[in-house]
Amino acid sequence: KAGVTQTPRYLIKTRGQQVTLSCSPISGHRSVSWYQQTPGQGLQFLFEYFSETQRNKGNFPGRFSGRQFSNSRSEMNVSTLELGDSALYLCASSLALAAYEQYFGPGTRLTVT
Amino acid sequence: EDQVTQSPEALRLQEGESSSLNCSYTVSGLRGLFWYRQDPGKGPEFLFTLYSAGEEKEKERLKATLTKKESFLHITAPKPEDSATYLCALKTSYDKVIFGPGTSLSVIP
Repeated sequence: KAGVTQTPRYLIKTRGQQVTLSCSPISGHRSVSWYQQTPGQGLQFLFEYFSETQRNKGNFPGRFSGRQFSNSRSEMNVSTLELGDSALYLCASSLALAAYEQYFGPGTRLTVT
Repeated sequence: EDQVTQSPEALRLQEGESSSLNCSYTVSGLRGLFWYRQDPGKGPEFLFTLYSAGEEKEKERLKATLTKKESFLHITAPKPEDSATYLCALKTSYDKVIFGPGTSLSVIP
């Protein structure tokens, strides 16, 4: 069974630009969560989507948004990029909402210059 | 405030030298506590979920336990391939997920 895939794997953007990251969950998994990982703050929860609806949200500004499609694939968007947005963005999928066993993708490394 | 801490921050062990990693938490309501392993440049890999105090789970050389205030990940006779960062996370009663800062484990041959 294929794992969680994320594209692109690496991205370099300039301050003020916007970026869209993509995540394809494991086949059959309906919940997708997004996390930001930085050396200083560790892993922080961004949001969780299930059945195309955002079900839970972390403490991030509105510049961070996401969506989920009918095939469970998900995208997250960051607008007006700031230097502090440089991080590893991880996507995790699970069978159902609030399921406890999550499977992570390899992440997208975003660098903002 | 809901919080997860892990200790030690880093741990070096000789191959075969057993030890434990600690995850302490304060939370208003706990729905589950998770352990993950993360290798450099990769996403976290799920290890265990614990739901209630007294619960224990084992997988190969790893054993996770849970009390009302902390969880331990016991590593028995570790091998160099066990070297990784071990992350503890919990899900609160209102579905908020909080990760600890992790423990970086190095097992020396």
